[in-house]
Amino acid sequence: AQRVTQPEKLLSVFKGAPVELKCNYSYSGSPELFWYVQYSRQRLQLLLRHISRESIKGFTADLNKGETSFHLKKPFAQEEDSAMYYCALSEGAYNTDKLIFGTGTRLQVFP
Amino acid sequence: NAGVMQNPRHLVRRRGQEARLRCSPMKGHSHVYWYRQLPEEGLKFMVYLQKENIIDESGMPKERFSAEFPKEGPSILRIQQVVRGDSAAYFCASSPPILDRVSRNEQYFGPGTRLTVT
Repeated sequence: AQRVTQPEKLLSVFKGAPVELKCNYSYSGSPELFWYVQYSRQRLQLLLRHISRESIKGFTADLNKGETSFHLKKPFAQEEDSAMYYCALSEGAYNTDKLIFGTGTRLQVFP
Repeated sequence: NAGVMQNPRHLVRRRGQEARLRCSPMKGHSHVYWYRQLPEEGLKFMVYLQKENIIDESGMPKERFSAEFPKEGPSILRIQQVVRGDSAAYFCASSPPILDRVSRNEQYFGPGTRLTVT
């Protein structure tokens, strides 16, 4: 069955430190992978998607099919990065676009 | 564009009552998804609808839960005879017609409805 695993519930770092939020998935086909972010008292919003190969707010994520991972990285964390981060997978089939989410990692960035 | 709207934001029901959750998609969006988030868990897919059609309901519990997205008006997630285990945050997301999307899977989320069953 498809699954997304985020092993860390909480990740705490100091401002300026590098950040890596881990995400592993299990899926036999060719999934699309996403990172969603939820800032305090805001709705869930898309941060980035693997097919775009983009960097948003300094964050990047590379899909590693060999390790079935899609870790989110930022070289220098900022206090405003404190939020809940969810990794999500889409099967990429045309009959459904449902997203399968991990349990989320709370990132706390201390000043 | 006001974004995806959900109401109510908070809903309290006693065991055995019915809960109706509403979702108004973004303007121009024709696809709606419902997700449920139990405490300490990630969002779990429930159902995917287009106007007047249920496309994928593989995540819906077999009993007491139903969803609709009529030609006019919001999408409704209905839970009959609620039990304590239904207490959760219910999120709705919408996306534009497939041909209008920047990327194939592009979902915009509402603020959620927090259901508490007492």
